[in-house]
Amino acid sequence: NAGVTQTPKFRILKIGQSMTLQCTQDMNHNYMYWYRQDPGMGLKLIYYSVGAGITDKGEVPNGYNVSRSTTEDFPLRLELAAPSQTSVYFCASSYPTRAGETQYFGPGTRLLVL
Amino acid sequence: KNEVEQSPQNLTAQEGEFITINCSYSVGISALHWLQQHPGGGIVSLFMLSSGKKKHGRLIATINIQEKHSSLHITASHPRDSAVYICAVITGGGADGLTFGKGTHLIIQP
Repeated sequence: NAGVTQTPKFRILKIGQSMTLQCTQDMNHNYMYWYRQDPGMGLKLIYYSVGAGITDKGEVPNGYNVSRSTTEDFPLRLELAAPSQTSVYFCASSYPTRAGETQYFGPGTRLLVL
Repeated sequence: KNEVEQSPQNLTAQEGEFITINCSYSVGISALHWLQQHPGGGIVSLFMLSSGKKKHGRLIATINIQEKHSSLHITASHPRDSAVYICAVITGGGADGLTFGKGTHLIIQP
């Protein structure tokens, strides 16, 4: 199993540009999450999904959108990039049988908005 | 909203020392996670606890639900243990993700 994969690893965006951060897992996990990590701060939840076709906002959803058309994929969309979205983004997934089981993290995407 | 506090924020120790990292939270939880973030940035789950104690190799995690407190211990610390250790909690059903502490930056010197 590849686990949770994210692309790209690093990206520089100009203010106002848009992009999609890709996340794929091959463990058949129903639950998937997007977090952002800012320097000196704890990770914060952006969006989550409990299954294909179901998504919900986390703590910091403004400026982002998600979709979940398949169990495997959970892309995160930035429509109008702003410097405040400079961060490291982690995708994670967890077992389908119990909420709260071990979360598996992707390697992260480092985003710089200039 | 659950507030998760970790201490210390930074810890430098000598190889072989016994390490303790503490985590406290403000609201009752269904489970607590300890995570390790490597210098390269990757995050791995070390433990998930809902009560008592768990041990894996040189790592021990304990939780006291009544006191809303957990500790992560490392015995016979080694430079390869140098990393950021993160405490995270799940409140309620858990499908809505983890609430994280800011992490403890641990450096083990040879």
